[in-house]
Amino acid sequence: NAGVTQTPKFRVLKTGQSMTLLCAQDMNHEYMYWYRQDPGMGLRLIHYSVGEGTTAKGEVPDGYNVSRLKKQNFLLGLESAAPSQTSVYFCATQLLGNTGELFFGEGSRLTVL
Amino acid sequence: GENVEQHPSTLSVQEGDSAVIKCTYSDSASNYFPWYKQELGKRPQLIIDIRSNVGEKKDQRIAVTLNKTAKHFSLHITETQPEDSAVYFCAASTAQLTFGQGTILTVHP
Repeated sequence: NAGVTQTPKFRVLKTGQSMTLLCAQDMNHEYMYWYRQDPGMGLRLIHYSVGEGTTAKGEVPDGYNVSRLKKQNFLLGLESAAPSQTSVYFCATQLLGNTGELFFGEGSRLTVL
Repeated sequence: GENVEQHPSTLSVQEGDSAVIKCTYSDSASNYFPWYKQELGKRPQLIIDIRSNVGEKKDQRIAVTLNKTAKHFSLHITETQPEDSAVYFCAASTAQLTFGQGTILTVHP
């Protein structure tokens, strides 16, 4: 029972390159989220999904895309990476929305040069 | 949308002292207020939460209070221990959680 797993854990990109972060969960949770964490700015919501086949924008969605083709997976894509996207990215799941505990993955540290 | 302000940004205490972290929120419709603890290099984990129909909740050495009229809530840690050293985040929710900026708590032995 792995919980919430993120891959890769670390990645270095050059400006303009693309990449995809994968979040996989075995908790059978409906809701999934992608956050970015920057010093002094807390956790900011990028995109989220309330179920298989659905996605929605969060607070800071520009420059990112997401897909939820299967209930257990939530992918975060960067089509053309920029230095401003250097951050630690966390995936989180929630059984149902609004008032339930978030279960976070271990985080993925992305550096864009 | 919701805006959550958290203070202080850093807090240093001696072991055994109490620590208090305060948050304010802007959306009066928010009804769920969790607190997460993040140890260095680890993932955030829920430590306590409170819902809008409750004014105070306690779990061993930690407690949270909520003042809906003033739109603020606080985390209280008593008898602090070195293992309490971490970053603490408050959050408020209407639909999705909005997090505060975080407080770095350092407990000196």
